[in-house]
Amino acid sequence: GENVEQHPSTLSVQEGDSAVIKCTYSDSASNYFPWYKQELGKRPQLIIDIRSNVGEKKDQRIAVTLNKTAKHFSLHITETQPEDSAVYFCASRMYSGGGADGLTFGKGTHLIIQP
Amino acid sequence: EPEVTQTPSHQVTQMGQEVILRCVPISNHLYFYWYRQILGQKVEFLVSFYNNEISEKSEIFDDQFSVERPDGSNFTLKIRSTKLEDSAMYFCASSGLAKNIQYFGAGTRLSVL
Repeated sequence: GENVEQHPSTLSVQEGDSAVIKCTYSDSASNYFPWYKQELGKRPQLIIDIRSNVGEKKDQRIAVTLNKTAKHFSLHITETQPEDSAVYFCASRMYSGGGADGLTFGKGTHLIIQP
Repeated sequence: EPEVTQTPSHQVTQMGQEVILRCVPISNHLYFYWYRQILGQKVEFLVSFYNNEISEKSEIFDDQFSVERPDGSNFTLKIRSTKLEDSAMYFCASSGLAKNIQYFGAGTRLSVL
């Protein structure tokens, strides 16, 4: 089955600096890659996603890049703010077009924004 | 904004007891999922459900687990005989016609004593 590796497990950056979180996946058939943000005790919330037919997607301070050949994708957060502090999970899925497909998650990155 | 709702928020049970975790997916969604997250670990897929049947299940989803959509709004996860290692946060999720975006509920924390 699919395996998703995520690094680093903890990332501490100064407020205003950029943060980059990286994930690799094993199944070349995976074609959908969402990123979820989970604040302490809260539900995972989708912040950005990318499909395999594009290489990059941006939404304000957040961007995701995908390298299908290398089977890795990254989350980039620029101009970090204290409210960006949370655990971030990458995930992947093979969108089969049939029934409901479960997500395979990485282990998460605890992002700490230092004031 | 519509949300997936889960009840109860915290369930405490004795080992060997049956528990039912309840979810109300977003009303026009068609695809439903259960995930679990053991404390401090990653979110793990359990099962997905579409058109009144299981679409996909993981190795975790063994014979002790079952899912049901008993009416037009609820989606339940039953654990027949709970074990200590079933203690985790259980998240329900749902997605609509686009299928891609899965919206998560706030979770039910299950504590098995």
